[in-house]
Amino acid sequence: DTAVSQTPKYLVTQMGNDKSIKCEQNLGHDTMYWYKQDSKKFLKIMFSYNNKELIINETVPNRFSPKSPDKAHLNLHINSLELGDSAVYFCASSQESYGRQGTEKLFFGSGTQLSVL
Amino acid sequence: GDSVTQMEGPVTLSEEAFLTINCTYTATGYPSLFWYVQYPGEGLQLLLKATKADDKGSNKGFEATYRKETTSFHLEKGSVQVSDSAVYFCAFFPLSGAGSYQLTFGKGTKLSVIP
Repeated sequence: DTAVSQTPKYLVTQMGNDKSIKCEQNLGHDTMYWYKQDSKKFLKIMFSYNNKELIINETVPNRFSPKSPDKAHLNLHINSLELGDSAVYFCASSQESYGRQGTEKLFFGSGTQLSVL
Repeated sequence: GDSVTQMEGPVTLSEEAFLTINCTYTATGYPSLFWYVQYPGEGLQLLLKATKADDKGSNKGFEATYRKETTSFHLEKGSVQVSDSAVYFCAFFPLSGAGSYQLTFGKGTKLSVIP
């Protein structure tokens, strides 16, 4: 069983479209994250949710909106896609928020490669 | 501000060569330190970690020692294999910050091991 699964694996779309990426974890973790990895492999956190509540919201355009219907799911919706949104998006989860322990490890999904044409 | 710096790649080694990937951090206090590995087409996986000074993390033949004197956490392996080809990320969890705690990654070092 995949611990953190995200779909789709590949997403190719036109500028201006709206798209969603789904993420589910079956680890019973309380915290989930979205990271963006650019073409140079640089990883940057976008959002973090703990028990369906937003706890980290980095400087991300408001075209990006995370939604957590329950603590096992954290979906990412992107409106009005732009060329610069092309990247690999990773979902991750951890047992606790990093704000509490600082030692927990993250479990990552295998990524969604988004290409905006 | 708090940050982590790791050596730029790519790094190409022959099988059984010795590997070192340097990582240094700038942070307040003594943060927990991590190495993550990303194999081709996959997400990141935790490779090893150390939570306090002088701790040594180890896994799959890789080691890294938390050195507070040099604020470093260099990754080493005595004999690399082709299967070690991946991108390696140094990361830390800063203890300071305006309540926005997050795992902070270095820029990644791509390792290619050739037979």
